[in-house]
Amino acid sequence: NAGVMQNPRHLVRRRGQEARLRCSPMKGHSHVYWYRQLPEEGLKFMVYLQKENIIDESGMPKERFSAEFPKEGPSILRIQQVVRGDSAAYFCASSPDQTTSTDTQYFGPGTRLTVL
Amino acid sequence: QKEVEQDPGPLSVPEGAIVSLNCTYSNSAFQYFMWYRQYSRKGPELLMYTYSSGNKEDGRFTAQVDKSSKYISLFIRDSQPSDSATYLCAMSSFNKFYFGSGTKLNVKP
Repeated sequence: NAGVMQNPRHLVRRRGQEARLRCSPMKGHSHVYWYRQLPEEGLKFMVYLQKENIIDESGMPKERFSAEFPKEGPSILRIQQVVRGDSAAYFCASSPDQTTSTDTQYFGPGTRLTVL
Repeated sequence: QKEVEQDPGPLSVPEGAIVSLNCTYSNSAFQYFMWYRQYSRKGPELLMYTYSSGNKEDGRFTAQVDKSSKYISLFIRDSQPSDSATYLCAMSSFNKFYFGSGTKLNVKP
């Protein structure tokens, strides 16, 4: 059973460009979470999605950031017009349906975004 | 007040020592309690999870939950240099997760 997959692992963008980060959850998992982590800091929650629905986006900046989890395909975190402050590691995590399994989360390897 | 409080360390111990890592929380609705290990420039790796108060043991690791005190602990016995990492506690309720800021552990050979 493959784990949570994220790509690309490293992404370099110039200021003003768009960044698209992709996440494929573990097989059988219907919940996806995105987190941001700055060097030497903890995980900051951004958004929680289920298929075709945003459940909680309280951690997402109001502008330039969006996320989706379509019926088919991976979840996408999109950052428009990137700025240097967006440079960070972005982690995706998935969890199974709470009604069928324990309420735990499994993380992907992360995408390291560098904005020049 | 943060939902989850965790001492950031760093914590430095000699090889073979017993390590105690702790978190406190404020929300009595939390049902699941987890510990993650994160090596530098890697994703967090789920180490242990528990439901309800009590102890759970897995090899050299023991997770302890005290719901009455809102306090959880992770004990590492016979610590090894390969245990050097950042340890994050996490708690959840109905698919919402809250993380501590992580404790950096260094086990010296």
